[in-house]
Amino acid sequence: AQSVTQLDSQVPVFEEAPVELRCNYSSSVSVYLFWYVQYPNQGLQLLLKYLSGSTLVKGINGFEAEFNKSQTSFHLRKPSVHISDTAEYFCAVHNTDKLIFGTGTRLQVFP
Amino acid sequence: DGGITQSPKYLFRKEGQNVTLSCEQNLNHDAMYWYRQDPGQGLRLIYYSQIVNDFQKGDIAEGYSVSREKKESFPLTVTSAQKNPTAFYLCASSTPHGINEKLFFGSGTQLSVL
Repeated sequence: AQSVTQLDSQVPVFEEAPVELRCNYSSSVSVYLFWYVQYPNQGLQLLLKYLSGSTLVKGINGFEAEFNKSQTSFHLRKPSVHISDTAEYFCAVHNTDKLIFGTGTRLQVFP
Repeated sequence: DGGITQSPKYLFRKEGQNVTLSCEQNLNHDAMYWYRQDPGQGLRLIYYSQIVNDFQKGDIAEGYSVSREKKESFPLTVTSAQKNPTAFYLCASSTPHGINEKLFFGSGTQLSVL
């Protein structure tokens, strides 16, 4: 079965600094990967997804992720974060007919 | 506006009591899902339904039950057999093109035990 591992449970960063949230997936013939964001006391929203094609995927709010098959990774990046990016971020992989989520990374942006 | 509505926002359960969490969507989505969220454990799938009158167990179905009598509705019952029900419960649905398009989430229900 497919799975994802988010290596960092919390990532503190100062405003306007770059950030990378790490995600590794279990190897498979084909893989569909997603990043979702959850703001406090809310449901999740899709940030971006990789289905095929270009390995660099651009999403909403200035985020991007790079699919790296050799390293089985799908890390999320943003060159300059804002206070409003403070949230929980989930990496997910498509498994048959459902999504399997990672354990989440809490991004805390400080002024 | 189209979307997913979960109710109530907060729910309290007494020992030995069954409680039902509501999830309604007006997005015309065929597939609906229930996830449980615990701190440090991410989201775990409880049940999902690809079509009316059909549903499948997820990874942690024990102590829960669902029904899918209407396309718009996918209620979750937390039974007394679920010994640790305190969690944040999220309902989701996916587009007619399937899960590779997007999951739409409700705003969640926080269930606590009295």
